[in-house]
Amino acid sequence: KNQVEQSPQSLIILEGKNCTLQCNYTVSPFSNLRWYKQDTGRGPVSLTIMTFSENTKSNGRYTATLDADTKQSSLHITASQLSDSASYICVVSDSNTGNQFYFGTGTSLTVIP
Amino acid sequence: DAMVIQNPRYQVTQFGKPVTLSCSQTLNHNVMYWYQQKSSQAPKLLFHYYDKDFNNEADTPDNFQSRRPNTSFCFLDIRSPGLGDAAMYLCATSRGTGTGQPQHFGDGTRLSIL
Repeated sequence: KNQVEQSPQSLIILEGKNCTLQCNYTVSPFSNLRWYKQDTGRGPVSLTIMTFSENTKSNGRYTATLDADTKQSSLHITASQLSDSASYICVVSDSNTGNQFYFGTGTSLTVIP
Repeated sequence: DAMVIQNPRYQVTQFGKPVTLSCSQTLNHNVMYWYQQKSSQAPKLLFHYYDKDFNNEADTPDNFQSRRPNTSFCFLDIRSPGLGDAAMYLCATSRGTGTGQPQHFGDGTRLSIL
């Protein structure tokens, strides 16, 4: 069964600290993996998209990694800011059909001053 | 500038009273999606359009219908809303369905049922 699991479910960190969010998936055959940031009451916004051949990709203070062998991805946030408080969602697509998106339930990140 | 626009942002309706949510896009994307997202849960795909071709997910209740009169607009109709239909409804678009096609989401419509 194709699944995407994220951990931790929630996380509280101090402003300025780093953190790492995890995403494990069983989706096969793998096409790509995306990380989205969803602010409260808003729609998800894409942070990164990674394909099979990519190991790491950065977007400002966000760095995503992908290990396609172990089917794991991480999202590392450097020097966190209050505005990073949001839900971070991992979405994996299979290559059988481009429209099949498997969503994780997200990690709720709270950055406190 | 907003590229996927959902109206209204908040909608309140009565139990059993039909309601329509709207989505418009300025991206000229071929694919439009409707998702239901309940509190602390992942978005759940209800259906999508590739151009005029409608694709319904197998577990989407018959209560939910959709219309896409043109490329820019897509509507979600809930014929007889129940209390369990209270949720955030997200519209998304993508250029196509190939590998690497990102989805662009609207800010959602939060639906409450009285």
